[in-house]
Amino acid sequence: DQQVKQNSPSLSVQEGRISILNCDYTNSMFDYFLWYKKYPAEGPTFLISISSIKDKNEDGRFTVFLNKSAKHLSLHIVPSQPGDSAVYFCAASGAGGTSYGKLTFGQGTILTVHP
Amino acid sequence: NAGVTQTPKFRILKIGQSMTLQCTQDMNHNYMYWYRQDPGMGLKLIYYSVGAGITDKGEVPNGYNVSRSTTEDFPLRLELAAPSQTSVYFCASSYSTRGLANQPQHFGDGTRLSIL
Repeated sequence: DQQVKQNSPSLSVQEGRISILNCDYTNSMFDYFLWYKKYPAEGPTFLISISSIKDKNEDGRFTVFLNKSAKHLSLHIVPSQPGDSAVYFCAASGAGGTSYGKLTFGQGTILTVHP
Repeated sequence: NAGVTQTPKFRILKIGQSMTLQCTQDMNHNYMYWYRQDPGMGLKLIYYSVGAGITDKGEVPNGYNVSRSTTEDFPLRLELAAPSQTSVYFCASSYSTRGLANQPQHFGDGTRLSIL
């Protein structure tokens, strides 16, 4: 029972263009969503997050959009750079008081940015 | 600025052997977690701890044990290694309080474990 799904295993983008990574979830109790970036042989690194009370959060080149009615979130990277090439994981957490920050992860999307 | 440190980085075990994966953090985080990542899959929660002396099961706890005697350390124990436990193991930590419930987790670089 995959509660967080990233349906695209991989994405290839030209340098300077926009990268859009998608994530769907099924559990309506999730109220906090995060994106992590992972390079080979390293641990995941936090990128950006969004609370369910918002529909958009920006941090530099990275923007996360949340559509609660569709149970869908996306990560936009503009402009994409070769250094952005990595595996991107979407993660979700439930209500803060009882979830203790436990994360449910998607399967990951491999992003390749070509020079 | 070490963050979350995991040892060892690699290990090969024989079926039935036991070992402890070490995890320590120097950020004074109260919450700590153990995840495993199988090829092509996302991370799955094994165990977590909300403070010293308190641990609880995650999604895939079978075959593992944990302890949390200090704020800094959260070791993961495999008692009878099985091939199904071949995976990459990640330890993470975060700081949460009543008014600051959702905070990003910081991860170590992982332990790659093979059981043959």
